[in-house]
Amino acid sequence: ETGVTQTPRHLVMGMTNKKSLKCEQHLGHNAMYWYKQSAKKPLELMFVYNFKEQTENNSVPSRFSPECPNSSHLFLHLHTLQPEDSALYLCASTPGANSNQPQHFGDGTRLSIL
Amino acid sequence: GIQVEQSPPDLILQEGANSTLRCNFSDSVNNLQWFHQNPWGQLINLFYIPSGTKQNGRLSATTVATERYSLLYISSSQTTDSGVYFCAAYYGGATNKLIFGTGTLLAVQP
Repeated sequence: ETGVTQTPRHLVMGMTNKKSLKCEQHLGHNAMYWYKQSAKKPLELMFVYNFKEQTENNSVPSRFSPECPNSSHLFLHLHTLQPEDSALYLCASTPGANSNQPQHFGDGTRLSIL
Repeated sequence: GIQVEQSPPDLILQEGANSTLRCNFSDSVNNLQWFHQNPWGQLINLFYIPSGTKQNGRLSATTVATERYSLLYISSSQTTDSGVYFCAAYYGGATNKLIFGTGTLLAVQP
C-alpha cells in the first residue's frame, strides 16, 4: 500500500470513446504526476501539477487532458486515442514539486486501445 | 537533457546467486531512486539514495555522485526478485523532475 490509488486498473476502449483515469493520494502531498510506460520502455513524464497548478506538460498530445481539482486528486481525460497510446499509465505524488523527497507511485492503469 | 543508462539490459540468475546492477547518469543530479517493477507493473520503491550506501535486507545500493553512477546489489537472489529494475535521477530547479533509466530485466530461475 503506497498511499496512491489508481482506478481503473485495466481499461479497454475504442479510438472514438471518451474515458478518464483517476488517481487519488492519501499522503497529504501537494504535487502529482502522470507518467506513460509503453511496452518494454522506461517511464516517460507527461504532466506535473503542484498545488493544483500545472507546471509541466512534456509535449503531450491534446487528446490527453489532465485535471487536478485539488491536491489529492488527479485525472487524465482520454479522447480519440490512437493504438500507440496503449500503455501503462502511472500516477505519482510528492510533498511538493520542488521538494527533495521521493516520488510515491500508484499501481497504474493498463490501457488498451482497440 | 540528462541521460540515464543502465547495465546490463538483461540478466539471468540461478536462485541464490548475487548480482550487481549499474546506473550511469550524464550530469549532476539532485537525487537518485531505485525501483523494482514486478510482472504486474507495480513500481516498488527500493532506495532513495543521493550518495553513500544504504542496505535493506538482501538489497543494498551505493551512489557515487561525484563519479555519476549508482550500483544496486542483490544477494542470495530469489525468484520473487524477478522483474525490471529501474534507476531514476532527480534533476531540475523549480520542478524536481525524474528521468528513468533504460532498465535491467532480471530473471531468477529456481
